[in-house]
Amino acid sequence: QSALTQPPSASGSPGQSVAISCTGTSSDVGGYNYVSWYQQHPGKAPKLMIYEVSKRPSGVPDRFSGSKSGNTASLTVSGLQAEDEADYYCNSYAGSNNFVFGTGTKVTV
Amino acid sequence: EVQLTESGGGLVQPGGPLRLSCVASGFTFTNHYMDWVRQAPGKGLEWVARITNGGGSYTTQYAASVRGRFTISRDDSKTSLYLQMNSLKTEDTAVYYCARDSYTALDYWGRGTLVTVSS
Repeated sequence: QSALTQPPSASGSPGQSVAISCTGTSSDVGGYNYVSWYQQHPGKAPKLMIYEVSKRPSGVPDRFSGSKSGNTASLTVSGLQAEDEADYYCNSYAGSNNFVFGTGTKVTV
Repeated sequence: EVQLTESGGGLVQPGGPLRLSCVASGFTFTNHYMDWVRQAPGKGLEWVARITNGGGSYTTQYAASVRGRFTISRDDSKTSLYLQMNSLKTEDTAVYYCARDSYTALDYWGRGTLVTVSS
């Protein structure tokens, strides 16, 4: 199972929006509505930000939103804040109890 | 409060074994699948293994990179998850995270334990 493709970096000024893409195949992203997104600050454990393409866990600001079209999922962070600077990883179910992560995107504010 | 605490990491020689543990608290352990995810130094996340729940009859699945060498297991009576790692390679060097599986995402993570494979 190959890693999902994400851009290595993305950036935006405070208050702006940034969108991160996550491209897979019809066997993972395109085949299931089980795409999730994780935020990871340096030296910390990942934190779930979005699940099932566009759902937010309790406590995650509504500045974070997710979507999917075909084999590509996207995470958008609106109203960028300094604390949003982190690495972001997408993840997709890939069938038969398998999961695959994206390559990761470093977001700079 | 959900807590996942990994232990068992350390320095091991190539070809050697190591067993990781993860103690869970703050939720009903038997209601959840559980996973291991790893992150090599300076690299991205890699899903390693998953184990279902099911009152003693569990299904396991592994990433191709560890299949046949790693074994995931759980002891519901101890609310604990394990990862037995055999025939370790230098490329297995990573921080290993234990994560609670909500079937469609990994909703809680431990802080991780570092495994270093080196001679």
